[in-house]
Amino acid sequence: DTEVTQTPKHLVMGMTNKKSLKCEQHMGHRAMYWYKQKAKKPPELMFVYSYEKLSINESVPSRFSPECPNSSLLNLHLHALQPEDSALYLCASSQDWRTSGANVLTFGAGSRLTVL
Amino acid sequence: ELKVEQNPLFLSMQEGKNYTIYCNYSTTSDRLYWYRQDPGKSLESLFVLLSNGAVKQEGRLMASLDTKARLSTLHITAAVHDLSATYFCAVLNSGGSNYKLTFGKGTLLTVNP
Repeated sequence: DTEVTQTPKHLVMGMTNKKSLKCEQHMGHRAMYWYKQKAKKPPELMFVYSYEKLSINESVPSRFSPECPNSSLLNLHLHALQPEDSALYLCASSQDWRTSGANVLTFGAGSRLTVL
Repeated sequence: ELKVEQNPLFLSMQEGKNYTIYCNYSTTSDRLYWYRQDPGKSLESLFVLLSNGAVKQEGRLMASLDTKARLSTLHITAAVHDLSATYFCAVLNSGGSNYKLTFGKGTLLTVNP
């Protein structure tokens, strides 16, 4: 299995809703990532988990809450979002950077989020 | 802070022509990646370049890396319409024990018949 699976593909939520994005990989990767991408812009790193521990938080507002329940799963919990948070949210995974080799990030198809 | 600059940001080509996309980065790094993204889709890995002078080729695309100049190029040979997409370079930034990729702004390539 060489895929990163993200659900849901599309999500529409109001500013008072609580929802979650889910990501799963079965490639044995020990690093997992959340990126946010606005239209016609590059992906922006939000969070990095390494061996199920949060290693990078790029000063993301607390209305985004990541969780890594195990080495295959990564969640992004959403609460009290703003319309400007509407974007494509991409999950990715890779081997741990400290190992040698290419460590290519494999991206999921993304969850397109619209906040009304 | 690592900065990654791509140019051009927009490229309109005719089928059959050749062109090069440039990726400059500001600090030393030992890994550089090229990704492709089709509209509304995710990112697809094209190449990873690990050492000075590395050259990788796949079909009509060839990527190279000059670590001394902090420059990577993505060369397109005899472009075809199917190559229309946005191309990103990304550079590994290792600060202390944290590693992350910094992406360039992307090059939107349109290949016209």
